[in-house]
Amino acid sequence: NAGVTQTPKFQVLKTGQSMTLQCAQDMNHNSMYWYRQDPGMGLRLIYYSASEGTTDKGEVPNGYNVSRLNKREFSLRLESAAPSQTSVYFCASRSRDRVQPQHFGDGTRLSIL
Amino acid sequence: AQSVTQPDIHITVSEGASLELRCNYSYGATPYLFWYVQSPGQGLQLLLKYFSGDTLVQGIKGFEAEFKRSQSSFNLRKPSVHWSDAAEYFCAVGQFSGGYNKLIFGAGTRLAVHP
Repeated sequence: NAGVTQTPKFQVLKTGQSMTLQCAQDMNHNSMYWYRQDPGMGLRLIYYSASEGTTDKGEVPNGYNVSRLNKREFSLRLESAAPSQTSVYFCASRSRDRVQPQHFGDGTRLSIL
Repeated sequence: AQSVTQPDIHITVSEGASLELRCNYSYGATPYLFWYVQSPGQGLQLLLKYFSGDTLVQGIKGFEAEFKRSQSSFNLRKPSVHWSDAAEYFCAVGQFSGGYNKLIFGAGTRLAVHP
């Protein structure tokens, strides 16, 4: 029962380095999401993808890019990491049925020095 | 704009005591409401959801929540807290736009349980 799988679980980067966070879901969900979680701020949406081939900006997209590689996979890329991007990143997915909730991965803990 | 407010950042209760976590939302239409729980180092797990119908909804782990439209609230309750309930709890409202579904989260309430 894998659900939503994120890799890596932990990563430390230096300022200016690039990094791609991977997310895959095995529930045949149409929609996928990337969030960041910072203390006292809950989860904020970075990007989302309603279906394969489409992506849209969320609340905090600056400094990030995404790729919906296929229906299963949705990656998040930091082209030039900044200390302000130190956070915990969560991927989620959801079926097309609007009454269904989002399912979350276990997160990637990213530190940028 | 839609928003979710969780007024309590931290709450501490004794094991066996009752619990109520507050959630207020701002949303123009009938809201889709969720409570998620996050244990340390883990992802978010859905506790319960409200879409329509009965305003008192039952969830997993003995939790329930009541939707009160007049108060724009969706408070989470549990009659008797267990030590394993110590975690962070997030309230969220579902936003639908052009067929897209997005969640707006509150800042979270961290629950500590004393033995």
